[in-house]
Amino acid sequence: DAGVTQSPTHLIKTRGQQVTLRCSPKSGHDTVSWYQQALGQGPQFIFQYYEEEERQRGNFPDRFSGHQFPNYSSELNVNALLLGDSALYLCASSLSQGLTNGYTFGSGTRLTVV
Amino acid sequence: GNSVTQMEGPVTLSEEAFLTINCTYTATGYPSLFWYVQYPGEGLQLLLKATKADDKGSNKGFEATYRKETTSFHLEKGSVQVSDSAVYFCALSPPTGRRALTFGSGTRLQVQP
Repeated sequence: DAGVTQSPTHLIKTRGQQVTLRCSPKSGHDTVSWYQQALGQGPQFIFQYYEEEERQRGNFPDRFSGHQFPNYSSELNVNALLLGDSALYLCASSLSQGLTNGYTFGSGTRLTVV
Repeated sequence: GNSVTQMEGPVTLSEEAFLTINCTYTATGYPSLFWYVQYPGEGLQLLLKATKADDKGSNKGFEATYRKETTSFHLEKGSVQVSDSAVYFCALSPPTGRRALTFGSGTRLQVQP
């Protein structure tokens, strides 16, 4: 049973560019959340998607946007990249009915902005 | 708002030593509490959880008890191994809504042979 799959694993972008990260949730999960983890810090919640809609959002600017597809996979888009956007981006999936089993996290995409 | 505070790291222990990593939280109501572990170059893995006061989560020799009176969820292990070296994150999710996780800043554990 595949867990959460994220792509790409690493990428390097230039300031001002745009980037798209992708996530496939664990089989049977229908909710996808995205987190940003800066070096040496805990993950920070970006937003959560359920039924193809953004349901909850953390304290991130509108440059961060997302999408969820009918097969529950998701994309995270970041526009006008800043150096401070360099981080590990984690995708987590769960069942919509609750978190009694916690989230399942992917291994992340390491984004470097130069 | 919700917040999680963990003890500063790194924590350096010898193999077979006793481990405690402190975690306290601020939240409304009765959140669910979690410990996640992150090995080098990897994502987060759920280590254990507790969903109500006085619950004890346990897994792979690690334990943590949900203490409402002290708003704490300290992680313990009786005898650590070199393979336990990793970063440990305490986290909470609120009792209602879509329950986004709020994480502490993490505690790095280094176990020496």
